[in-house]
Amino acid sequence: SYELTQPPSMSVSPGQTAMITCSGDELPRRYVYWYQQKSGQAPLLVIYKDTERPSGTPARFSGSTSGTTVTLTISGVQAEDEAVYYCQSTYNSDTHKVFGGGTKLTVL
Amino acid sequence: EVQLVESGGGLVKPGGSLRVSCEGFGFNVSDAYMYWVRQPPGEGLEWVGLIYSKGDGATTEYDASVEGRFTISRDDSEDTLYLQMNSLRTGDTAVYFCTTAFVAAVDGTHQYMDVWGRGTTVTVSS
Repeated sequence: SYELTQPPSMSVSPGQTAMITCSGDELPRRYVYWYQQKSGQAPLLVIYKDTERPSGTPARFSGSTSGTTVTLTISGVQAEDEAVYYCQSTYNSDTHKVFGGGTKLTVL
Repeated sequence: EVQLVESGGGLVKPGGSLRVSCEGFGFNVSDAYMYWVRQPPGEGLEWVGLIYSKGDGATTEYDASVEGRFTISRDDSEDTLYLQMNSLRTGDTAVYFCTTAFVAAVDGTHQYMDVWGRGTTVTVSS
């Protein structure tokens, strides 16, 4: 089955930039969505279709792509950004979703 | 306000069955592609399956791990999505979320809406 690979964890200090990567062979041909999940809560979409921000997502969140790797960048990280971040794409048809394993972001 | 509310989770023995529900508010569930996603305790997100919109034939598709055991259905008159789970295994223990996404006209602009319920907990244990 198709897999998306993320680093399990990373840590940054407040005000620094966090770059979370997601790799997969199909990513040059498929959109990627990024979710933020805080403990005990449902996932919250922060980036859709690789680079688009939903209404309500702070401008410090951005997405980019390069070949088989996509990146979620959080510029000027704030304490409230501490969460697990998941990338999500599709395989088979555009209806079968696949999630990365998640990256736990710790704000020091 | 667009909202999804799951219910029906609980404790069930291995081999047993359970049906969980997801009621939609603020939009027509029949017009949307509706998904189930689950999250085992302390683990990541897993796609379970989906049902197409009524206009696209209400076709269902499933992840291989639940194919033949789980069935997704929808009651359009009640704006409710269902997940019937049979032959449950301990590995099916998880929080089950329903979710959907669509473009909506809001205040004269088109906004991408991604909606998740809070989830319902299913525990499979003897």
